[in-house]
Amino acid sequence: DGGITQSPKYLFRKEGQNVTLSCEQNLNHDAMYWYRQDPGQGLRLIYYSQIVNDFQKGDIAEGYSVSREKKESFPLTVTSAQKNPTAFYLCASKRLAGVRDTQYFGPGTRLTVL
Amino acid sequence: GQNIDQPTEMTATEGAIVQINCTYQTSGFNGLFWYQQHAGEAPTFLSYNVLDGLEEKGRFSSFLSRSKGYSYLLLKELQMKDSASYLCAVRDTGRRALTFGSGTRLQVQP
Repeated sequence: DGGITQSPKYLFRKEGQNVTLSCEQNLNHDAMYWYRQDPGQGLRLIYYSQIVNDFQKGDIAEGYSVSREKKESFPLTVTSAQKNPTAFYLCASKRLAGVRDTQYFGPGTRLTVL
Repeated sequence: GQNIDQPTEMTATEGAIVQINCTYQTSGFNGLFWYQQHAGEAPTFLSYNVLDGLEEKGRFSSFLSRSKGYSYLLLKELQMKDSASYLCAVRDTGRRALTFGSGTRLQVQP
């Protein structure tokens, strides 16, 4: 089955610890995205990548880092510099070729920092 | 930059029709998307508009007016399972990622 996987579904960390959220896709999509969602809010863009070894900051990149060493994988690290990391994190991917092509989302990781 | 506005909450009755509005401001419009998101789940794609007019897909339709910076999502024959948040998202020519509104939480009542 083709799709986007994120693991784990729930993640708990102590304040001050870095944590890495995984995102893998087998859709052969070129572009991948990370969004953050807080309760009752829309999605805010953290980082995105259109090709391997290249990525751009989104609207709220401070306190986060990413890598894109493989087309299939786009891990997000939440660092201790992120002031309020507790949130629902969503990874998405899409093809670059089609204008109508939409983003497909993974199931999300709910991060709670204690 | 971009600014997207949607009502925060709406309530409707099972079997009825509901219209969810979205207004946007963007420097280089290049498409508008509607997503449905059930609580605790990922958004799923509903519709896409880039030209003015109505796009119909079963019980769901989406309308766009580029000159007014306005779109709406129309849901017909409402079912209880339609209770969810509906997110409006805009793509502009300046960047390759979508900008999302805060979403409209729809509650369908019996």
